[in-house]
Amino acid sequence: DAGVTQSPTHLIKTRGQQVTLRCSPKSGHDTVSWYQQALGQGPQFIFQYYEEEERQRGNFPDRFSGHQFPNYSSELNVNALLLGDSALYLCASSPSSPGELFFGEGSRLTVL
Amino acid sequence: GQSLEQPSEVTAVEGAIVQINCTYQTSGFYGLSWYQQHDGGAPTFLSYNALDGLEETGRFSSFLSRSDSYGYLLLQELQMKDSASYFCAVRFEGAGSYQLTFGKGTKLSVIP
Repeated sequence: DAGVTQSPTHLIKTRGQQVTLRCSPKSGHDTVSWYQQALGQGPQFIFQYYEEEERQRGNFPDRFSGHQFPNYSSELNVNALLLGDSALYLCASSPSSPGELFFGEGSRLTVL
Repeated sequence: GQSLEQPSEVTAVEGAIVQINCTYQTSGFYGLSWYQQHDGGAPTFLSYNALDGLEETGRFSSFLSRSDSYGYLLLQELQMKDSASYFCAVRFEGAGSYQLTFGKGTKLSVIP
């Protein structure tokens, strides 16, 4: 049983560019959350998707957007990249009932 | 808003016991979770406390006091592989969804 998978694992962009990160949830999970983790910090909640809709959003600007597909996979898009967007982006899935989060290994984004 | 406080670093000797404390301030508190993250790895779930008291899972135990807004993670019989960052995370319910707010993490170093 595959866990949460994310792609790409590493990527480098320049300021002003756009990036798309992808996530496949653990089998049987229908809820996907995205987190940003800066170096030496805890993960910060970006947003959560359920039934293809954004269910809750953290304190992130509109440059951060997402999508969930009918197969529950998800994308995170970041437009007009800033140097401060450099971080590890973590995807986490969970079943619709309350429970623990299962995290992927993350996509490490470097903005130059 | 929500805030969590935990020590930034802890060092302990192999075979010993270590306690990592977490205090929180939040509205609509639902429960306290603990996650472990090795350098370069994904956060992995350790425990969840919704009610006051102690939860034990093998060498790890977690405690919650809702009246004191306080919890701790207890690691016994420390092993070198326990060297990692440990995050407490508060779960609160809002707008019908579930979001985890993470602390900044405690870096545990286990020494021989």
